[in-house]
Amino acid sequence: SQQGEEDPQALSIQEGENATMNCSYKTSINNLQWYRQNSGRGLVHLILIRSNEREKHSGRLRVTLDTSKKSSSLLITASRAADTASYFCATENSGYALNFGKGTSLLVTP
Amino acid sequence: GAGVSQSPSNKVTEKGKDVELRCDPISGHTALYWYRQSLGQGLEFLIYFQGNSAPDKSGLPSDRFSAERTGGSVSTLTIQRTQQEDSAVYLCASSLLTGQSGETQYFGPGTRLLVL
Repeated sequence: SQQGEEDPQALSIQEGENATMNCSYKTSINNLQWYRQNSGRGLVHLILIRSNEREKHSGRLRVTLDTSKKSSSLLITASRAADTASYFCATENSGYALNFGKGTSLLVTP
Repeated sequence: GAGVSQSPSNKVTEKGKDVELRCDPISGHTALYWYRQSLGQGLEFLIYFQGNSAPDKSGLPSDRFSAERTGGSVSTLTIQRTQQEDSAVYLCASSLLTGQSGETQYFGPGTRLLVL
């Protein structure tokens, strides 16, 4: 099944810095979503960008989508220790099932 | 309101035993999904329920896995004759409408299954 691939696998930054994570995928999509997971448990939906959109903002989050390159990026500005988590991109092309990548593990140190 | 709940939180079982994992979706959500998160494998889609329609079981890894959803609400994922490779976190999610494109899926906290 199609999966997104996040890059980097792990990222360590200091509070106040920006964090950028990238996601690449293989086939055409309806939309791409980013989720956060704390402590290996439930996922929290962060933002959705549709295939006809190029950029979207939500608070300190900025997501871009380049369908020609089949890639997306998630930018977290002014990071906080509470942003420490794993971040997953998920693509949807069949109307419901999400195809997740393996995630980027973000560590924000005070 | 209450989110998606799952039980048990953790389950340790012996190889060969059957296990049942339960999911209570958000009230009123018609679509329900099961995913599995294995170490190093990311999240895999397992099965999808939508209202009274036949479920999409295309993600189930073997015939030892089955799921049902009673009364359009609670769902149970059953793994028969568990194997060590079944060890994973099993996540349930639900969404409000018809499972259409672009819906937010709300995830439960997951059940961490360990097969010894």
